[in-house]
Amino acid sequence: EDQVTQSPEALRLQEGESSSLNCSYTVSGLRGLFWYRQDPGKGPEFLFTLYSAGEEKEKERLKATLTKKESFLHITAPKPEDSATYLCAVLGGGATNKLIFGTGTLLAVQP
Amino acid sequence: DGGITQSPKYLFRKEGQNVTLSCEQNLNHDAMYWYRQDPGQGLRLIYYSQIVNDFQKGDIAEGYSVSREKKESFPLTVTSAQKNPTAFYLCASSLDSPWEGYTFGSGTRLTVV
Repeated sequence: EDQVTQSPEALRLQEGESSSLNCSYTVSGLRGLFWYRQDPGKGPEFLFTLYSAGEEKEKERLKATLTKKESFLHITAPKPEDSATYLCAVLGGGATNKLIFGTGTLLAVQP
Repeated sequence: DGGITQSPKYLFRKEGQNVTLSCEQNLNHDAMYWYRQDPGQGLRLIYYSQIVNDFQKGDIAEGYSVSREKKESFPLTVTSAQKNPTAFYLCASSLDSPWEGYTFGSGTRLTVV
């Protein structure tokens, strides 16, 4: 069964303190891995898509990487406005054509 | 600009009442989805539709109903049979094969009063 596990559940950082969020997945035939950012009371906002192991993508202070078993979302020198829940999702190669979501990591960046 | 619109943003339901949440997209996406989000539980799939006039139950379909009469629209009805409807509801859409991921609406917060 396809599965996505995100860790940690919650992370508190000081402004400027770099860290990484983890997304581990078990899926047959990965067709894509997706990172979203969700602010309280709003819908998830697309950040990145990764399609193959070794791929990396960057956007401002965020960098997403992908291996055959997991993805990392690296946050460099975070600012308070980076505080949000970060969701990971995968699209597998089986018959199902739906994304499988993790439960998210709640990030709080304190000034 | 293309996007996906959910309305209303806030909705209050009395006990025993049915309510309908609207979801409209102008992205020309074939597939549409409804999720429920509760604190600490992540996204749970209620219903999804990959083509007009066809839809499938997700993981928590009991107490909900949907229709897909137009490609652009996928309304969700929360019926009186749903015993714990207070939650944040998200609608999403995608290409038939979602290799570009989903586009989400801004959500509807439903509260039972």
